[in-house]
Amino acid sequence: DADVTQTPRNRITKTGKRIMLECSQTKGHDRMYWYRQDPGLGLRLIYYSFDVKDINKGEISDGYSVSRQAQAKFSLSLESAIPNQTALYFCATSDSGTASYNEQFFGPGTRLTVL
Amino acid sequence: AQKVTQAQTEISVVEKEDVTLDCVYETRDTTYYLFWYKQPPSGELVFLIRRNSFDEQNEISGRYSWNFQKSTSSFNFTITASQVVDSAVYFCALMGGSGTASKLTFGTGTRLQVTL
Repeated sequence: DADVTQTPRNRITKTGKRIMLECSQTKGHDRMYWYRQDPGLGLRLIYYSFDVKDINKGEISDGYSVSRQAQAKFSLSLESAIPNQTALYFCATSDSGTASYNEQFFGPGTRLTVL
Repeated sequence: AQKVTQAQTEISVVEKEDVTLDCVYETRDTTYYLFWYKQPPSGELVFLIRRNSFDEQNEISGRYSWNFQKSTSSFNFTITASQVVDSAVYFCALMGGSGTASKLTFGTGTRLQVTL
């Protein structure tokens, strides 16, 4: 079973709709991240959370919000989706308590299309 | 601010050729970490290597090798005797050294196409 799971894996929606992407992990990691990948732009950080009560904006947080419901769950919401939010979204985790704290483990990605 | 530059957008090679993917980075941190990830056509991100700024030893893992040079701020990745299965997008990434940072800055990726 995958350690970092994302649901849904694919989603097509319409402009103006509210969308939630979910991420769950069984690795016991305290830190979680959301990235988006656009062709030719690499991955860019949207939000990150170092524990349940800690939420931080990343490079491109406008138009997004997040919720850390539990240590194992980190959700990304698009309150009113727009076409330029069409992208591949990745969740990642890392463990601050180990020597390799900075290694991030990525989920399989969610492909979101906003029409 | 941190920045990672992968100037090669796409590279095409014939199987068994050697290929080097370039990565140049910018950071003001004295301690930092560099990474390479592979993204095959299936889309997932596969971790390949982590290197900290105090370890300039080159590393070899099978057909993969990495050349870290602080003097030129480069962390290049070489695949020896490339294979079709190496076809993927490869990302270089940088993380600052602060213990609370943990934020990866990615390059734009290099798409490698290996043909028979």
